[in-house]
Amino acid sequence: NAGVTQTPKFQVLKTGQSMTLQCAQDMNHEYMSWYRQDPGMGLRLIHYSVGAGITDQGEVPNGYNVSRSTTEDFPLRLLSAAPSQTSVYFCASSYGLGEFGETQYFGPGTRLLVL
Amino acid sequence: AQKITQTQPGMFVQEKEAVTLDCTYDTSDQSYGLFWYKQPSSGEMIFLIYQGSYDEQNATEGRYSLNFQKARKSANLVISASQLGDSAMYFCAMREESNAGGTSYGKLTFGQGTILTVHP
Repeated sequence: NAGVTQTPKFQVLKTGQSMTLQCAQDMNHEYMSWYRQDPGMGLRLIHYSVGAGITDQGEVPNGYNVSRSTTEDFPLRLLSAAPSQTSVYFCASSYGLGEFGETQYFGPGTRLLVL
Repeated sequence: AQKITQTQPGMFVQEKEAVTLDCTYDTSDQSYGLFWYKQPSSGEMIFLIYQGSYDEQNATEGRYSLNFQKARKSANLVISASQLGDSAMYFCAMREESNAGGTSYGKLTFGQGTILTVHP
């Protein structure tokens, strides 16, 4: 049981390049999220999904796309990277809404630097 | 408006002493949940403790307890008998309901975090 996995661990991009951050979970969780973490800002929700085929925007969605074709995978696409997207990205999953304390399980994070 | 406020950017505590990390929140929901996560220097997010808005008793998990004062909208984390390994960033988070495609979803909103340093 690997939990939540993210690839790559580190990435350097040039402004304008595109890339996809991969996230996979093997816990059969319906709910998956992407967050970014910036110094002094805590974690901010980018996009989330409540199941295959269903996604919605979070607090800071601009510049990012997501899709959810399977329960296991939830990739995050940067369409045209900008230096403001330099951050640490976390993927998370959970089996419930959290109303009974079901926690979100976080991946190890991807550090992205946009030059 | 900030929904989760952690007013202590940094805290210091002596090993074996207790420490309280503050968290206040703002919501108009009747049903919500409050979480605390620990993030060590290695970067992973570790779940510590949860308090539901309808829970009458304060949550406890080992050395962690949550001092929940609903009327004051505060959910402070208390760590008893601090250990050197407790040195980390600590985040308070609140679950609120949102909707996507007609399905409810409890999304988390995080505070800015408090860096705790435990001195020997």
